[in-house]
Amino acid sequence: NAGVTQTPKFRILKIGQSMTLQCTQDMNHNYMYWYRQDPGMGLKLIYYSVGAGITDKGEVPNGYNVSRSTTEDFPLRLELAAPSQTSVYFCASSRGQGNTGELFFGEGSRLTVL
Amino acid sequence: AQSVAQPEDQVNVAEGNPLTVKCTYSVSGNPYLFWYVQYPNRGLQFLLKYITGDNLVKGSYGFEAEFNKSQTSFHLKKPSALVSDSALYFCAVRDDNYGQNFVFGPGTRLSVLP
Repeated sequence: NAGVTQTPKFRILKIGQSMTLQCTQDMNHNYMYWYRQDPGMGLKLIYYSVGAGITDKGEVPNGYNVSRSTTEDFPLRLELAAPSQTSVYFCASSRGQGNTGELFFGEGSRLTVL
Repeated sequence: AQSVAQPEDQVNVAEGNPLTVKCTYSVSGNPYLFWYVQYPNRGLQFLLKYITGDNLVKGSYGFEAEFNKSQTSFHLKKPSALVSDSALYFCAVRDDNYGQNFVFGPGTRLSVLP
């Protein structure tokens, strides 16, 4: 049972480059999320999706884009990478259950922008 | 707006002693409260949640948490700490007024000393 799978685990980008972080889940969850984790700051929500074809901004969406063409996949696109986007990125999914479902997390993607 | 505070950056406890990791929250609606644990270079793992009902919630690995509405707290506890409990612990809250966003606390690093 793979759960939530993220790739790549590590990446170094130069300022201005673009890349996509991949996320896929095999639990048939409708809800998917992208968070970034910075030291001492907890997790901040970037984007989320409540189902295929539906996405919405979270707390810190600037500089990122997402798409949700299937239930399983929720890629995060970084356009014109900046040093401020150096962080650890986590994809998560949830059954939904209104607001009561817990999150299932991937292992994270560590991104460094130089 | 929702917020979560974890007043201690670091908690040290001797193996075999009881442990408490503190969490207080602020929401405008009914709170749904969660605890997650993060081991080094891993994603967050769900421990337990309070949705409704009994104020004492039992979760994975012998952890429990007590919901206190009057003090707006949701402290994580374990009767006897293990060295393997050493990790980063996050409290999170969501409420029915703010849709899909979980708000995470900054995290508390627990060190259990042998």
